[in-house]
Amino acid sequence: ETGVTQTPRHLVMGMTNKKSLKCEQHLGHNAMYWYKQSAKKPLELMFVYSLEERVENNSVPSRFSPECPNSSHLFLHLHTLQPEDSALYLCASSQAEEANYGYTFGSGTRLTVV
Amino acid sequence: RKEVEQDPGPFNVPEGATVAFNCTYSNSASQSFFWYRQDCRKEPKLLMSVYSSGNEDGRFTAQLNRASQYISLLIRDSKLSDSATYLCVVNSGSNDYKLSFGAGTTVTVRA
Repeated sequence: ETGVTQTPRHLVMGMTNKKSLKCEQHLGHNAMYWYKQSAKKPLELMFVYSLEERVENNSVPSRFSPECPNSSHLFLHLHTLQPEDSALYLCASSQAEEANYGYTFGSGTRLTVV
Repeated sequence: RKEVEQDPGPFNVPEGATVAFNCTYSNSASQSFFWYRQDCRKEPKLLMSVYSSGNEDGRFTAQLNRASQYISLLIRDSKLSDSATYLCVVNSGSNDYKLSFGAGTTVTVRA
């Protein structure tokens, strides 16, 4: 596989469920990101991991819990979500020392909370 | 003030037309600039980087004006397949790998 792979592509969950989103990158990058994109809104940065350390947490509610076990994998654990958390969740990766190359995004997980 | 601001559009243009739009950024220390393209319900994809001297990639031309802190994208000879949302992207500071995304400019090319 190449690029950035996200699973699942679609997820419907109840407010009391626990689920996890998975992201895997095959680009040899050392930085990974979680973004949230709600309808007709800009991308909102949620978490940044650089060299497997969380370097940014943008005031995200604790019902979202990231995990980065190694430089190729990133998870977003979800529990007791609210309907307003329904959105497209995008994972991205980059090479932290190479600011000029931008990010590569996965195709996203479209989450619906019912 | 938002870090990156864009005219949301939409810009509705006929095939073959030229369309251009700008974005402004607030951080004067930013060094890396990009245009991304996002199709409906898909992920953003890098369209092109923007260099100080301006650069072209086929029908797409990007310009950077550091003094006024804006970036532009021009699309010549528009195709139906150019219909998308174009995201202006700027890094958060000198050599900072974290990027800030604009809300996007929607372009619709009609037959």
